[in-house]
Formats: sequence, C-alpha cells, structure tokens
Amino acid sequence: GAGVSQTPSNKVTEKGKYVELRCDPISGHTALYWYRQSLGQGPEFLIYFQGTGAADDSGLPNDRFFAVRPEGSVSTLKIQRTERGDSAVYLCASSPYSGNTIYFGEGSWLTVV
Amino acid sequence: AQSVTQPDIHITVSEGASLELRCNYSYGATPYLFWYVQSPGQGLQLLLKYFSGDTLVQGIKGFEAEFKRSQSSFNLRKPSVHWSDAAEYFCAVGAGLTGGGNKLTFGTGTQLKVEL
Repeated sequence: GAGVSQTPSNKVTEKGKYVELRCDPISGHTALYWYRQSLGQGPEFLIYFQGTGAADDSGLPNDRFFAVRPEGSVSTLKIQRTERGDSAVYLCASSPYSGNTIYFGEGSWLTVV
Repeated sequence: AQSVTQPDIHITVSEGASLELRCNYSYGATPYLFWYVQSPGQGLQLLLKYFSGDTLVQGIKGFEAEFKRSQSSFNLRKPSVHWSDAAEYFCAVGAGLTGGGNKLTFGTGTQLKVEL
C-alpha cells in the first residue's frame, strides 16, 4: 500500500515568508509525527498527533511553528516568518494506534534564502 | 530524558567484510529500540526493532542487532557488507506507546562507506 506522502518534496523560500508543508499518513494510522533533520544530524521530534489533537508539541522550537490535523488524517506544518535557521528536512511519520513502529515519509527539503 | 549515542560518525569497510555499528542509549525503563537507514535524498527506512523478548533481532537486508541491557547497547551487525549498504544509519530509542504514540529520540547517525 501507499506509504507516508509529503509535499512539496523541495521548497525554496525567502526569509520572512510563510511556508506550509503537507503530510498524508498511511491509511488507518491514527498517530502522526513531525520531525526536523538538520544537515549532519539525526531527526529531532517536533510534534505528535493522536487523531485530531496534538498530544505532544514539546519539540516545536518557537511560536512561529504550528501544525494542524483537522480531520485526523492529513496534517500541515506551518512556519511563519521563516528564518535561514529553519532550513532543514522536515520529516513526517505515522503509526497505527496499537503499534510502536513508526513509518517515515521521504521528507520536505526546506531552504530559506 | 532518553538519549542515544552513536560514537562513530564515519565508518569505512570493504565489501564482503563484516560490520558493526555501535549504539548506546539512556532510558530509565525498558526501551523500545530501532535502527533506521537513510540513503541520500531518501526517507528513513526501518531496518529492525526491539520491543521485548529475544534480545537478538533480525531485520531486513541481512542486518541484525543485539540488545544488551547491562551495557545499554543495541549494536547493529551484518556479516558481509554489500556496496549497496552505503548509507547513513540511525539508532533511535522510544518510550513505547504513550497515549497511542511512540516518540523517538535519534542518535546523530553513522555514515557508512563501502570500498569495492
């Protein structure tokens, strides 16, 4: 079946602009995660949804970042007033409610110039 | 708080040689442990996982890992490396299901180069 799908795969934006990154999880997976991977680093947790609600948003770096999942499926990560330091790969992942295994998408490469 | 250490940033092995990638974790209870592989421009692919039971786990592509509680380690091994194994490898630890989800903490990765 289809895996985790992320769009866009690449995004170049100017400093100060607003960006949205979309994630479509594996069908039937209730848990959805966003991670950020900077160059040369491992992925870092940003936020986790169980259904429509954010169960844990402790990894969001500041209030310029927020994410929604209004219908419990597709999620959008939104970044306001982008900064060059936001340049990274943003990874989305999902897992079934009763499963511990997390499946990752290929990521959205964000470059802020 | 949980943490993962991958002490080797880069490893180079010859094709056909054996491989061991080190991973040490810090977690107060029984951890949920994972190894993922990431090829250039690709997402993370799960190689194997340990939740409980047999401490030697088998994964895809001929990889295995052994959970050693006394050493807080979960090293990844492969008896004979193929050129296509060149990639970055990440070890991760999770707390298990909490409210239906499993938040992972990753190490910084080990870049594997395979010499032909």
